[in-house]
Amino acid sequence: RKEVEQDPGPFNVPEGATVAFNCTYSNSASQSFFWYRQDCRKEPKLLMSVYSSGNEDGRFTAQLNRASQYISLLIRDSKLSDSATYLCVAEGGAGSYQLTFGKGTKLSVIP
Amino acid sequence: GAVVSQHPSWVICKSGTSVKIECRSLDFQATTMFWYRQFPKQSLMLMATSNEGSKATYEQGVEKDKFLINHASLTLSTLTVTSAHPEDSSFYICSARDAGTGASPLHFGNGTRLTVT
Repeated sequence: RKEVEQDPGPFNVPEGATVAFNCTYSNSASQSFFWYRQDCRKEPKLLMSVYSSGNEDGRFTAQLNRASQYISLLIRDSKLSDSATYLCVAEGGAGSYQLTFGKGTKLSVIP
Repeated sequence: GAVVSQHPSWVICKSGTSVKIECRSLDFQATTMFWYRQFPKQSLMLMATSNEGSKATYEQGVEKDKFLINHASLTLSTLTVTSAHPEDSSFYICSARDAGTGASPLHFGNGTRLTVT
């Protein structure tokens, strides 16, 4: 069974803190990985893709370890607006576009 | 950027009625669209893959006769929940990828919150 596992949280952090989320995936054939952000009762929105070499977008850094089948997301200088659920997503390999979603990690940034 | 429009955003219906949800790609063509369902505090679960001009592919455990999918054009897919029951109450989300840009990320519709009374 293809699964993506995440710590559901919640992570309650003060403004300005650095917080890291981890995710593991079971399908070794997965080719692409993403972090999505989902606000309460809203659709997921793409936060960033995750590349093997690691990638950074402003305060957000994503890393992938294929050997350990492990993905991470680091958020620096947390803002109140970062409060949301963060979904780890793995895309199947061999031409398959099927995405497997983790259950999400809830983040609450506190003033 | 690419946008996927989903309608309606929310619907309340009586048990036994049918509900149709539309998913449109507004500025790109999508030969494939995906339908997901999300129960509270759960992850998105793929229900079916909608293929333009052909039959949808349903995931295991999803009743194709209950969740009718039609993908009549490159920009529109519809999901009809037939004879809805309270246990069908959920958040339904469609997504699509721009067929012309290879491995681009999926774009999601805004979702439809269905409540069956």
